[in-house]
Amino acid sequence: GDSVTQMEGPVTLSEEAFLTINCTYTATGYPSLFWYVQYPGEGLQLLLKATKADDKGSNKGFEATYRKETTSFHLEKGSVQVSDSAVYFCALSTNAGKSTFGDGTTLTVKP
Amino acid sequence: DSGVTQTPKHLITATGQRVTLRCSPRSGDLSVYWYQQSLDQGLQFLIQYYNGEERAKGNILERFSAQQFPDLHSELNLSSLELGDSALYFCASSPWTERNEQFFGPGTRLTVL
Repeated sequence: GDSVTQMEGPVTLSEEAFLTINCTYTATGYPSLFWYVQYPGEGLQLLLKATKADDKGSNKGFEATYRKETTSFHLEKGSVQVSDSAVYFCALSTNAGKSTFGDGTTLTVKP
Repeated sequence: DSGVTQTPKHLITATGQRVTLRCSPRSGDLSVYWYQQSLDQGLQFLIQYYNGEERAKGNILERFSAQQFPDLHSELNLSSLELGDSALYFCASSPWTERNEQFFGPGTRLTVL
């Protein structure tokens, strides 16, 4: 079946540090790929997405590139802020309509 | 604000009881998804409906059931509640089913005492 494997957390960084959260997937068919973010006490919200190979999704300084050859969709940000502290979920959605989420990675950014 | 509403926000009940969680999707969205989020198990997909019909099933217990009504709102029914059912329950919606992002509601926090 489909699966999403995320880098285990928690991740703790200092403000302005570089962030990478690794995500790899297995899927039947050709999935769309997503990163969602969950701030404390809230529901998940879409951060960025990519729908085909080599697409780069970007939003709020975060980026991720759909790499079909390595089945990866790693999340990066050049300079994190305290306000980026949250839980980040990698996810995929296939033509069959199934959505699969990773286990989430908790990021804490310290001033 | 995602446009997805969930009621109630908080629910406290006792073991053995039955509760109903309600979700109204974004205007125009036909698909509704239910998830359970607990501290030790992450985000677990429960069930999906599309335009009133069950579309996909995940790790949903037999004590749990759901439905989507003609006006597209959905209800998740949890019965014979156990302590381990305490969790956040999220509803999400999307326009259709294939390869699209989901819009999540704020969640219902269920506490079973």
